[in-house]
Amino acid sequence: DAKTTQPTSMDCAEGRAANLPCNHSTISGNEYVYWYRQIHSQGPQYIIHGLKNNETNEMASLIITEDRKSSTLILPHATLRDTAVYYCIVRVSSNTGKLIFGQGTTLQVKP
Amino acid sequence: EAGVVQSPRYKIIEKKQPVAFWCNPISGHNTLYWYRQNLGQGPELLIRYENEEAVDDSQLPKDRFSAERLKGVDSTLKIQPAELGDSAVYLCASSPPETETQYFGPGTRLLVL
Repeated sequence: DAKTTQPTSMDCAEGRAANLPCNHSTISGNEYVYWYRQIHSQGPQYIIHGLKNNETNEMASLIITEDRKSSTLILPHATLRDTAVYYCIVRVSSNTGKLIFGQGTTLQVKP
Repeated sequence: EAGVVQSPRYKIIEKKQPVAFWCNPISGHNTLYWYRQNLGQGPELLIRYENEEAVDDSQLPKDRFSAERLKGVDSTLKIQPAELGDSAVYLCASSPPETETQYFGPGTRLLVL
């Protein structure tokens, strides 16, 4: 599975959009981009995933560049409860099932 | 819908003692995972079950760790004997058939003294 690079930490003002970048320059054509987050003292929580097209759900939007070498997770209106570590993971859609977590980005939403 | 249930939530033991963690996945989820998360790091897969079969245990330290998933539902992860370096959060996750989205439990925080 391709390696990802994320900033170590980011701040965001409450109510503003949080844009979390992820670089995955070695991504293969059959690898998906997944985002999970982990709020303090909880298990990781699935947010969204995509292959080529931009995706949106009730939690967030995922913007993948045309060359697929990077992506951005967007939380449109960040709240204090969105403070968490956000993990960007790329993996093949197969039966391996393994998620390889990096260090992630610690997002601090401030009042 | 109930989420993944894990117990205990916290465990403190002395080194060389045995310890066991229990996981009840979401109903209908045939795939079950055990991860270990060291402080300040992302989770790392220890073992993955498809129903009752362990299909990936390559990262499980087999000299002291064991796991089972009898009847393909609940699972137990055991460490015997525990070492200081085993202090970590042990996370269980499950996923349903035909999807690879993993749903995690709250984890068991282990402290080995």
